[in-house]
Amino acid sequence: DAMVIQNPRYQVTQFGKPVTLSCSQTLNHNVMYWYQQKSSQAPKLLFHYYDKDFNNEADTPDNFQSRRPNTSFCFLDIRSPGLGDAAMYLCATQTGGGNTEAFFGQGTRLTVV
Amino acid sequence: QKEVEQNSGPLSVPEGAIASLNCTYSDRGSQSFFWYRQYSGKSPELIMSIYSNGDKEDGRFTAQLNKASQYVSLLIRDSQPSDSATYLCAPGGGKLIFGTGTRLQVFP
Repeated sequence: DAMVIQNPRYQVTQFGKPVTLSCSQTLNHNVMYWYQQKSSQAPKLLFHYYDKDFNNEADTPDNFQSRRPNTSFCFLDIRSPGLGDAAMYLCATQTGGGNTEAFFGQGTRLTVV
Repeated sequence: QKEVEQNSGPLSVPEGAIASLNCTYSDRGSQSFFWYRQYSGKSPELIMSIYSNGDKEDGRFTAQLNKASQYVSLLIRDSQPSDSATYLCAPGGGKLIFGTGTRLQVFP
C-alpha cells in the first residue's frame, strides 16, 4: 500500500499559470519535505515542515510556496511557473529528529509550456 | 549548513566486481548516515543506514563510517547490472539533505 502519495504524477502547465502539487501520507510522520530534482542532479530541498513549523531553504525562489493544512497533507504552490521550473518534484516524510528512514512519494513530473 | 560531497561519476564496474562509493560531510555533529538508491525516473529508497563508527553489513552491501575523518562509504560486492543507479548519501539529524550523488554503472 502506498504510504506517500503525490498527485498528479504528471502535470503540464502554461508559462506563468499557477500550479499546485499535492502530497498525502498515511504514516503520521511529523516531518514533510519538498524537493526539486532536475535531470542528472540530486534532489534539492526546497522546504520542510516539522509539524506545522515551516522551514524555507535560503535559496528557494519566492515563486515557490507551501501549505500544510494538517499532518496528512502538504501542497507545493508555484505562483508563476517559468521554463526553468520544469522538473520532478518529490515529497518525502520522516519522523522527527532526522535519524530515521525517509519515505518518498512517486514524484510529480512538471512540464512548463 | 550541512555540506555533503560525493564523486558524481559515472563509476563503471564490471559485473561481479566490488563498487566503492564515497561521501564526505562537513557537519561534525552528524551521528547517523543514510545511503539511498535512486533508479532513473524513480524516487530514492533507503538501502543502508549506519549509526556508529565502523562497518555495517547487509547482504552484498557494507557501509563504513569514520566520524573522525567525516567520511562514509558504501561497498557493493558482486555488483549486478540491477545495481546500476544513482547512490545518494545523506547525513542524519535535522533536515534531510542529499549529497550530489554518484551514478553507478555495472556492465555485463
